[in-house]
Amino acid sequence: DGGITQSPKYLFRKEGQNVTLSCEQNLNHDAMYWYRQDPGQGLRLIYYSQIVNDFQKGDIAEGYSVSREKKESFPLTVTSAQKNPTAFYLCASSIYSLETQYFGPGTRLLVL
Amino acid sequence: DQQVKQNSPSLSVQEGRISILNCDYTNSMFDYFLWYKKYPAEGPTFLISISSIKDKNEDGRFTVFLNKSAKHLSLHIVPSQPGDSAVYFCAASGGRDDKIIFGKGTRLHILP
Repeated sequence: DGGITQSPKYLFRKEGQNVTLSCEQNLNHDAMYWYRQDPGQGLRLIYYSQIVNDFQKGDIAEGYSVSREKKESFPLTVTSAQKNPTAFYLCASSIYSLETQYFGPGTRLLVL
Repeated sequence: DQQVKQNSPSLSVQEGRISILNCDYTNSMFDYFLWYKKYPAEGPTFLISISSIKDKNEDGRFTVFLNKSAKHLSLHIVPSQPGDSAVYFCAASGGRDDKIIFGKGTRLHILP
């Protein structure tokens, strides 16, 4: 079955800790995206990648980092510099940028 | 500055009636518009899209209307069903920006 998977579904972070959220797609899509959803804020773009080994900052990239070493994978690291990491994180992909995006099920990150 | 605006945070509609969700945009270069539906703790799912060369696109109970002169689009759901209760995001792309811009969403409640 083709689709986008995100893991884990829930993730807990301790103060000062970096955590990495996984996003994998087997849709053969070139473009991948990370969004953050907070109540009343809609979807805010963190980082996006139009092609392997290339990525750009979105609107709220501070405190986050990404890599795109493989077409199928676009992991997001929430660093200790991100002071308000509690949110619902959504990964998406599209055939090319500007095409329809398809979303994964999301990961909820909570701070202990 | 928000380029895609959904001015109604929430909307309540009786089951069986028509639901109309509105979206305004400011960038005249946008040429592709999408609607996504999102249930709590899940990723958004793509509903319907429209290109700027059209003014209407229909898919089953869902119809999207585009008024380019007013920079306005709307999603009509007829008839509304209980499973339609969700948050609906309007999104747009085009112009110099190489990413899709999302609105903040409208929460639709279908009343029994």
